[in-house]
Amino acid sequence: EIVLTQSPGTLSLSPGERATLSCRASQSVSGSYLAWYRQKPGQAPGLLIYAASRRAEGIPDRFSGSGSGTDFTLTISRLEPEDFAVYYCQQGGTFGQGTKVDIK
Amino acid sequence: QVHLQESGPGLVKPSETLSLTCNISGGSISNYYWSWLRQSAGKGLEWIGHIDRSGSPNYNPSLRSRVTLSVDTSKNQFSLRLTSVTAADTAMYYCASDISGAWWFFWGQGTLITVSS
Repeated sequence: EIVLTQSPGTLSLSPGERATLSCRASQSVSGSYLAWYRQKPGQAPGLLIYAASRRAEGIPDRFSGSGSGTDFTLTISRLEPEDFAVYYCQQGGTFGQGTKVDIK
Repeated sequence: QVHLQESGPGLVKPSETLSLTCNISGGSISNYYWSWLRQSAGKGLEWIGHIDRSGSPNYNPSLRSRVTLSVDTSKNQFSLRLTSVTAADTAMYYCASDISGAWWFFWGQGTLITVSS
């Protein structure tokens, strides 16, 4: 079973800054079947990125995903107020433990 | 656009069976994978299982012995049955779907289930 480890646990940034989130898999992820979600307080997770680098429908281009094999990155180029949330990576039935992006 | 709405009892007693229903609108059942997931403070996000586009179920190995998923196309509903619940099953339960089966684009708002006597 794949284990996904996200880092950092918490990222404290200001609006307008760039956020870089990491997701490391315990074994190679086949076909880049890796996704990223944003979960705002009190809401279900929302799909941001699928297949490691493809933006889901309606997701703005400030979100980008990259990586392959065991190392993946979610980048938010300029943080908007609604981006202060928790982010999860996912492969198959496994999720990472999450990275919280909070306001510095 | 698929819309999902979970419904459930809210409170379940230990050792009893949890039954949840997800009402589906805006999409053909045969075109999507239908999944249940849950989220608790202790275990984070956890995939419970799905029914694929051919109607075949696939379960999380850790829950397989206690879970049954089913789809009722006549009612446009997707259901979860979890037997012998314990406090560890206390969580927010979500139904979710996607055409891919590899991630989830459509989510319900979730229903909170507490297991307590």
